[in-house]
Amino acid sequence: EDQVTQSPEALRLQEGESSSLNCSYTVSGLRGLFWYRQDPGKGPEFLFTLYSAGEEKEKERLKATLTKKESFLHITAPKPEDSATYLCAVQATNDYKLSFGAGTTVTVRA
Amino acid sequence: DTGVSQNPRHKITKRGQNVTFRCDPISEHNRLYWYRQTLGQGPEFLTYFQNEAQLEKSRLLSDRFSAERPKGSFSTLEIQRTEQGDSAMYLCASSPLGDTQYFGPGTRLTVL
Repeated sequence: EDQVTQSPEALRLQEGESSSLNCSYTVSGLRGLFWYRQDPGKGPEFLFTLYSAGEEKEKERLKATLTKKESFLHITAPKPEDSATYLCAVQATNDYKLSFGAGTTVTVRA
Repeated sequence: DTGVSQNPRHKITKRGQNVTFRCDPISEHNRLYWYRQTLGQGPEFLTYFQNEAQLEKSRLLSDRFSAERPKGSFSTLEIQRTEQGDSAMYLCASSPLGDTQYFGPGTRLTVL
């Protein structure tokens, strides 16, 4: 069974204080690893898809990287509007459903 | 807005009642997924459709749950004889074949 573990559970940052979120995964074969952002009471918003080890993707202050066992979401010089729960999910090669981790809740103080 | 839409956004019901949720996917997306999310957890897969065919159902989907996607367009998720443990956010997502899933805003169900 596919497993996704995210750490830390919660992260409190000062505005401008860069940090990284971790997503460790176990999957029989990886079709893709996905990062989503979720604001309270809303559905997940797609950020990135990573397909193979060594791949990196960037969007504004966010950068996602992938190895064979884990992915990192780096937040550079965060702003209060980056406060959200960040979800990691994997999709196996023989399937189309997503298996999610529990998320990391990021709070950025001004 | 051409994103995934879900109705209603909130539903409060009494234990034992039946409820039905609707999802309208992004136009021309072949695949449609249902997930359930409880507080502090990530979404958990329930079922998915390719066009009108239901291709996979999770063990979480008890016989009180049924989903349909007539004509391969919108989908409905019905829960019969609701229980307090059914209280959760029900999320719908759609995707082109094998690609990124885009989520709707969810339906928050509260069972009293």
